Amino acid sequence: QSALTQPASVSGSPGQSITISCSGSNSDIGGSTFVSWYQHHPGKAPKVLIYDVSNRPSGVSNRFSGSKSGNTASLTISGLQAEDEADYFCSSYTSSTVYYVFGTGTKVTVL
Amino acid sequence: QLQLQESGPGLVKPSETLSLTCSVSGGSIGTSSYYWGWIRQPPEKGLEWIGSIFHRGDTYYNPSLKGRVTISVDTSKNEFSLKLSSETAADTAVYYCARNHAYTSTWDYWGQGALVTVSP
Repeated sequence: QSALTQPASVSGSPGQSITISCSGSNSDIGGSTFVSWYQHHPGKAPKVLIYDVSNRPSGVSNRFSGSKSGNTASLTISGLQAEDEADYFCSSYTSSTVYYVFGTGTKVTVL
Repeated sequence: QLQLQESGPGLVKPSETLSLTCSVSGGSIGTSSYYWGWIRQPPEKGLEWIGSIFHRGDTYYNPSLKGRVTISVDTSKNEFSLKLSSETAADTAVYYCARNHAYTSTWDYWGQGALVTVSP
């Protein structure tokens, strides 16, 4: 099962909006509502930002939003802040025997 | 607040077996709505799901690792464990334990990760 494809890096200035894409296939993102996004500051535990494509867990800023179109999911960070500088990765449940696949990861830099 | 913490040797020799334990605090591993899993990230590579276990002991493994991986749970100690046999350099990675919500397939709590290096 191939990993989900994300851009290696995305950057933006404070206050701007950025979008991170996550491309998969019909057997994962395209065929699943179980798509989630995570923020990972190196050395710390990853934190879930979005689940079920577009839902935010309690306590997660509404600056983070998720969506899906076909085989591609997207995470948008609006009002970019210095603290948003981190690695971000997506995940999807898959109908294959692998069950779960993850994105290749995107490093977000706040300029 | 639920917390997960990985523990185990940071260095394993080739052909030996990697053993890691995930201690869960702030909640019960016996909760029926969750699976408990292991995920790894080799250097400069993406995350890979290794396998998951339910508190009753039902296990699910990544086929690419099947035959080498065993995940077990000890509800009395509130922990679950990973054993990966026949280690090679390709198994060098940061290993994470995490909780997976059974109804949303969301990995909602993670450990900080444990680096395991396979080297003579």
